[in-house]
Amino acid sequence: DAKTTQPTSMDCAEGRAANLPCNHSTISGNEYVYWYRQIHSQGPQYIIHGLKNNETNEMASLIITEDRKSSTLILPHATLRDTAVYYCIVRVGIGGKLIFGQGTELSVKP
Amino acid sequence: GAVVSQHPSWVICKSGTSVKIECRSLDFQATTMFWYRQFPKQSLMLMATSNEGSKATYEQGVEKDKFLINHASLTLSTLTVTSAHPEDSSFYICSVGELSYNEQFFGPGTRLTVL
Repeated sequence: DAKTTQPTSMDCAEGRAANLPCNHSTISGNEYVYWYRQIHSQGPQYIIHGLKNNETNEMASLIITEDRKSSTLILPHATLRDTAVYYCIVRVGIGGKLIFGQGTELSVKP
Repeated sequence: GAVVSQHPSWVICKSGTSVKIECRSLDFQATTMFWYRQFPKQSLMLMATSNEGSKATYEQGVEKDKFLINHASLTLSTLTVTSAHPEDSSFYICSVGELSYNEQFFGPGTRLTVL
């Protein structure tokens, strides 16, 4: 599976949009981009995934560049409860094991 | 989505003893479960893939004789840390993920402290 690069940490003001970048320059054509988050001392939670097209659900939006070498997770109106470590993961197919990188620690501040 | 539970949520044991951690899929039958370990301030590390009715597949560097995995039913997988030592103290997390599912569903984790 392709390696991903994320900033170590980011801050965001409560109520503002949080934009979390992820680089995956070696991604293959059949690899999906997944985002999970982990709130402190809990199990990770699925957020969203995509292959080529931008995706949106009730939690977030995923913007994938045309060359698929990078993506951005957008939390449109961040709240204090969105403070967590966000993991960008690239893998083949929609099932199977996940390999976690270091992730981005997002701190949402009042 | 699937609901996954783990038991116990935390455990403290003496060095040299064995500890069993249970992972249950509460509302659907899981042929595949995954076990992860997470040290403080670090990311999750996949330990093994647990397959119902067959032997688990361990990731490189994970000792299969130390971390025994049993997946005897479609709703239960267990991880036994044998002869635990302080360096085994960690947060152990299981997940359920089928090929037909877009996402994995994670348990709440078990914090193991070995004295």
